[in-house]
Amino acid sequence: EIVLTQSPGTLSLSPGDRVFLSCRASQSVWNNYIAWYQQKPGQAPRLLIYDASSRATGIPDRFSGSGSGTDFTLTISRLEPEDFAVYYCQQYISSPCTFGGGTKVEIK
Amino acid sequence: QLQLQESGPGLVKPSETLSLTCTVSGGSITTSSKYWGWIRQSPGKGLQWIGSIFSGGTTYYNPSLKSRVTISIDTSKNQFSLKLSSVTAADTAVYYCARQNYYVVLHDWGQGTTVTVSS
Repeated sequence: EIVLTQSPGTLSLSPGDRVFLSCRASQSVWNNYIAWYQQKPGQAPRLLIYDASSRATGIPDRFSGSGSGTDFTLTISRLEPEDFAVYYCQQYISSPCTFGGGTKVEIK
Repeated sequence: QLQLQESGPGLVKPSETLSLTCTVSGGSITTSSKYWGWIRQSPGKGLQWIGSIFSGGTTYYNPSLKSRVTISIDTSKNQFSLKLSSVTAADTAVYYCARQNYYVVLHDWGQGTTVTVSS
């Protein structure tokens, strides 16, 4: 089973900041089969990015994904007030698919 | 717009079977997507994929839960269901159903339902 480690656990930031969220895999994720989800309190996760860099339908272009091998990054170019949430990465190249522990982006 | 809604008991006794149903609206379960899944989230284990079903009935499960899980589909009702047997407190979680692709990219989610295992 591939283990995903997300860092840092919490980020305290201000609206307008640029954000880099890290997801590191315990082994190579072939085909860059990495997805990113956003979750707000009391809500289900929402798909942001799949295949490491493809935005899901309706996702603003301030969200972008990159990376390959074992290291992947979700970038938010300019934090909006609605972006304060928890972000999870997921790998789906290996069964069972697995999720990282999440990074919380909170208001500074 | 496709919507998913979980339903079922919020409280299950230890050793009994947890049963949940996901109702899909705004599209057909056989054409909107061919793959549907169940995921759970607990404070202790985070997000965990439970298993998935193809609209034709083929299933695939997380090996860690496979001996206790059954996922089925009822295309006439536009629903798919989860059964988890021999539950313990460790199965207490928020359970989500989702529309997915073959590779378990989870495109649309239900709002989730909280299930507590307690006597």
